[in-house]
Amino acid sequence: SQTIHQWPATLVQPVGSPLSLECTVEGTSNPNLYWYRQAAGRGLQLLFYSVGIGQISSEVPQNLSASRPQDRQFILSSKKLLLSDSGFYLCAWRGAPYNEQFFGPGTRLTVL
Amino acid sequence: LAKTTQPISMDSYEGQEVNITCSHNNIATNDYITWYQQFPSQGPRFIIQGYKTKVTNEVASLFIPADRKSSTLSLPRVSLSDTAVYYCLVGGPPGSARQLTFGSGTQLTVLP
Repeated sequence: SQTIHQWPATLVQPVGSPLSLECTVEGTSNPNLYWYRQAAGRGLQLLFYSVGIGQISSEVPQNLSASRPQDRQFILSSKKLLLSDSGFYLCAWRGAPYNEQFFGPGTRLTVL
Repeated sequence: LAKTTQPISMDSYEGQEVNITCSHNNIATNDYITWYQQFPSQGPRFIIQGYKTKVTNEVASLFIPADRKSSTLSLPRVSLSDTAVYYCLVGGPPGSARQLTFGSGTQLTVLP
């Protein structure tokens, strides 16, 4: 069966510090991968998606970036965090027959 | 992207049937309608997806009228554990890589 992992589960970082969130998927190959952010009490905002290694599409201009160094690994990064980067970050994958997304447990990021 | 409109919140009692309606007036010909459920501090979970008429699975039914400008998620005999945020998404089709932006959703509260 397929499993999606995210770490860390929670993170508290000062403004201006770098960020690296990792997402890995097990039990599937060549998945579509997604990063979402959810502010408190709000819906999910799609940040990035990837259809393959090295292929990243950005949905929203921001100080975040994403990379896909391996088929089942998706990384969200920032060189300098802003207060507005605080939120709940969710990684998701989607595979054949591509009718639903499966979400990871999420990372709660607080920027102080 | 087809925009969706849902009620912000709904209350119900245990054992009742709950119907949540979503409006999507500018839905495109190849768009699908998908519903997700989200509990606090968790990623959304797929509930049901449809294109037209009626779809039913073990947890819900989805009613889509002929003009497809709205859809209704029906939850039979809700329990306290069905208290969650429910999101309606329009887009796809299932094979497309780009995923959808989640709106603010409908907060369903089931009362004893």
